[in-house]
Amino acid sequence: EDQVTQSPEALRLQEGESSSLNCSYTVSGLRGLFWYRQDPGKGPEFLFTLYSAGEEKEKERLKATLTKKESFLHITAPKPEDSATYLCAVFYYGGSQGNLIFGKGTKLSVKP
Amino acid sequence: KAGVTQTPRYLIKTRGQQVTLSCSPISGHRSVSWYQQTPGQGLQFLFEYFSETQRNKGNFPGRFSGRQFSNSRSEMNVSTLELGDSALYLCASSLTADGYTFGSGTRLTVV
Repeated sequence: EDQVTQSPEALRLQEGESSSLNCSYTVSGLRGLFWYRQDPGKGPEFLFTLYSAGEEKEKERLKATLTKKESFLHITAPKPEDSATYLCAVFYYGGSQGNLIFGKGTKLSVKP
Repeated sequence: KAGVTQTPRYLIKTRGQQVTLSCSPISGHRSVSWYQQTPGQGLQFLFEYFSETQRNKGNFPGRFSGRQFSNSRSEMNVSTLELGDSALYLCASSLTADGYTFGSGTRLTVV
């Protein structure tokens, strides 16, 4: 069964304490992997798209990497405004679950 | 550039009623997808429309339906509402296969 698993479910960090979020997937015919950020009561906000193993993308304090079976979202020296739920989604054609399968997210809390 | 617009933002309905939610995609985007988000299940795919045709459908009962108009605006309808239908309903539009932009969602509460 095609699925996406994110870990940990929740992560509490002190401001400045770097860490990584994990997204593992079992999907045949992967076309790409997305990272989104979601704030409470709002829709997901696009962060990155990764297409092939070894690819990396960066944006401010965030860096996303991709291997053949998983992706990592590295957060360097986080600030309280980075607190949100981070969602990973794999993109592929023809699945019964649509083109995107989402993980359940990692809720990140950054304390000052 | 206007984003994806969903209306209404909040809705309270009674069990057994029906509800219609609306989504206006980004101008030029012809694909619209709908998702249900709940704390326990996360985002689950409902259906996708492209040029007024349903291209894909998730594993939801027939009470959930949708349509897309010639201007790409989309509506989803839920009939005979159940308490378990309470959720955040999200719409996403895309121009190409590698870019999905979400709206802010409609928070539906069934009482």
